[in-house]
Amino acid sequence: AQSVTQPDIHITVSEGASLELRCNYSYGATPYLFWYVQSPGQGLQLLLKYFSGDTLVQGIKGFEAEFKRSQSSFNLRKPSVHWSDAAEYFCAVGSLDSNYQLIWGAGTKLIIKP
Amino acid sequence: KAGVTQTPRYLIKTRGQQVTLSCSPISGHRSVSWYQQTPGQGLQFLFEYFSETQRNKGNFPGRFSGRQFSNSRSEMNVSTLELGDSALYLCASTLGSSGNTIYFGEGSWLTVV
Repeated sequence: AQSVTQPDIHITVSEGASLELRCNYSYGATPYLFWYVQSPGQGLQLLLKYFSGDTLVQGIKGFEAEFKRSQSSFNLRKPSVHWSDAAEYFCAVGSLDSNYQLIWGAGTKLIIKP
Repeated sequence: KAGVTQTPRYLIKTRGQQVTLSCSPISGHRSVSWYQQTPGQGLQFLFEYFSETQRNKGNFPGRFSGRQFSNSRSEMNVSTLELGDSALYLCASTLGSSGNTIYFGEGSWLTVV
């Protein structure tokens, strides 16, 4: 079955430290991959997306993600987090065969320690 | 250009009532999707409309319905509200083809008492 797993429900990092949020997927077709961020009480904002080509994707707010087909992963990284990065992060997967729909991970809540 | 606009942003309803939420997509977007978000269940897909036709449907009871108008604006309706319907309802719009970026509105917070 198609699925997206974000293994960490919560992650706490210190301000200025590096960050990696994990996303693993199980998908039969060539995937499109997305990372979205949701600040408290807000909608979701696209951070970055991978369709094809370079497997290292740069996004907004200094985030990047790397698509690793062999590991079925699309982990999100940031070299140095800021307090304003505290939010919930969602990974999503789709494909040309997905009838236009995305499969969503359960989200990872990022907590920043001062 | 303007983003996805949802109204109302906040509302409180009584169990058994019905509610209608509205969504105006980004200009030129023909697909509108609705999601329910709760702390326990995460982001759950309700349905998607494309050119006034429901193209996809999630696993929600028939009390949840929607429609799309010729100008791509969409409404969703929940009848016979239950306490468990309390949630953030998110609308998202996209051009409508696979791989298109989905843009979300800020959501409508529904509290059922």
